[in-house]
Amino acid sequence: NAGVTQTPKFQVLKTGQSMTLQCAQDMNHNSMYWYRQDPGMGLRLIYYSASEGTTDKGEVPNGYNVSRLNKREFSLRLESAAPSQTSVYFCASSETAQMGNQPQHFGDGTRLSIL
Amino acid sequence: AQSVAQPEDQVNVAEGNPLTVKCTYSVSGNPYLFWYVQYPNRGLQFLLKYITGDNLVKGSYGFEAEFNKSQTSFHLKKPSALVSDSALYFCAVRDMNTGFQKLVFGTGTRLLVSP
Repeated sequence: NAGVTQTPKFQVLKTGQSMTLQCAQDMNHNSMYWYRQDPGMGLRLIYYSASEGTTDKGEVPNGYNVSRLNKREFSLRLESAAPSQTSVYFCASSETAQMGNQPQHFGDGTRLSIL
Repeated sequence: AQSVAQPEDQVNVAEGNPLTVKCTYSVSGNPYLFWYVQYPNRGLQFLLKYITGDNLVKGSYGFEAEFNKSQTSFHLKKPSALVSDSALYFCAVRDMNTGFQKLVFGTGTRLLVSP
C-alpha cells in the first residue's frame, strides 16, 4: 500500500544549489501533480502531467522544471534554489485528469529549506 | 477565476459536540467540490466530493458535507467530534478553465477538538 512515495523527506540547500525531488506512484494513475504548501496560502500547483509524455505549467511554475519519466515517476527540479522556494512540496496523482471528478492521492511531502 | 474561501483559520470544538468547517466557492458553471484532511507531517487525504446529485455527501471517518447552490457553500460537518479529528482541513474546487483536473485549494482551517 505504498501509494505515492516522495524522496527525500527533508533537504537543506544553499542558495544557488540545484536538486531534484523524486515522486513515484504505484496505483497505475495517468495524471500526476506537484504542489507547494506555504503557511496561510494553501496548496499551489507548480506543474502537472495529465498523462505520460505531457507536462504543463500550473499556478507557480517559475524556477522549476519537471520530467514525467514514465507512467510511475514525476520529478521536480530546482535548477538554482532561492530562499523563496523554501516550502513543503507535495506530489499527487489521480486516475485521470480529464474527467475532473477523480480524487487526488498525495505523498507525505518533502520539506525543503533554502539558506 | 475559480476560488474557494475558508473564512475560519481555526475551529475549536469539544469532543462529542457537532462540528462544522465552512467553505464557500466561486465558479463558473457547475462546481466539482472536494474536502481533504491533513494530519501533521503527512500529505492530504481525500475525505469526500460533490460532483452532482444529492446535496448531502457522505465521506470517510463519519464526515459529511452539504452542498448549497444558493449560498455557494460546501460546509463540512460531523455529528460528534473526536479528539483524533484534530487536523488541518482543506476545501478545493476543480478549475473549470481547462479540461483537466486542476484543483484550486482554500487556505485551510485548523480543527482543534478538546477532550
